Amino acid sequence: DAGITQSPRHKVTETGTPVTLRCHQTENHRYMYWYRQDPGHGLRLIHYSYGVKDTDKGEVSDGYSVSRSKTEDFLLTLESATSSQTSVYFCAISDDRGTYEQYFGPGTRLTVT
Amino acid sequence: TQLLEQSPQFLSIQEGENLTVYCNSSSVFSSLQWYRQEPGEGPVLLVTVVTGGEVKKLKRLTFQFGDARKDSSLHITAAQPGDTGLYLCAGGQGAQKLVFGQGTRLTINP
Repeated sequence: DAGITQSPRHKVTETGTPVTLRCHQTENHRYMYWYRQDPGHGLRLIHYSYGVKDTDKGEVSDGYSVSRSKTEDFLLTLESATSSQTSVYFCAISDDRGTYEQYFGPGTRLTVT
Repeated sequence: TQLLEQSPQFLSIQEGENLTVYCNSSSVFSSLQWYRQEPGEGPVLLVTVVTGGEVKKLKRLTFQFGDARKDSSLHITAAQPGDTGLYLCAGGQGAQKLVFGQGTRLTINP
């Protein structure tokens, strides 16, 4: 299994509070991704990173920001959590061999009340 | 945005039966991957196909990439309860990104 951890694994927070999710990898892969998974929608890309301090938006980036100050860590921040951001969040990593293969972390279940 | 449509979205069959899951798009992908996800866990990569017409086998699972690289199928022979899970197809697009289908939730009944 790829060395990817996510923290926390579960979180309940209130509407309007900021929340930060962490993804940590030990594989030294260049690319890191944040997805959310909701019933009927599969996995949707929020933001991704193609190197330290290099990030770009995905298809559902509104209300989210990211930072990558080290190769191994990719942080996802919900600036002011809303109930529509209740979801399961997955981090993934990929190397730069051009295969597009991604390896996923165990996920974080976030509930916004 | 390129879209991938999976069908069926839900499938419940008896142990020992065969099944096929489809993944279709109007767009061409540079590669196509299949993942399986179990409850409470992240998706796990099963296979990557990159050449039009390519067929790969993984024990009782057979994966095919369409000739035009717009579609793919997953065929399971003699399904077993351990095959139960959510199956996701994903197509490679620019900048090392993937677009995912909605998933097929497969249940194999003993």
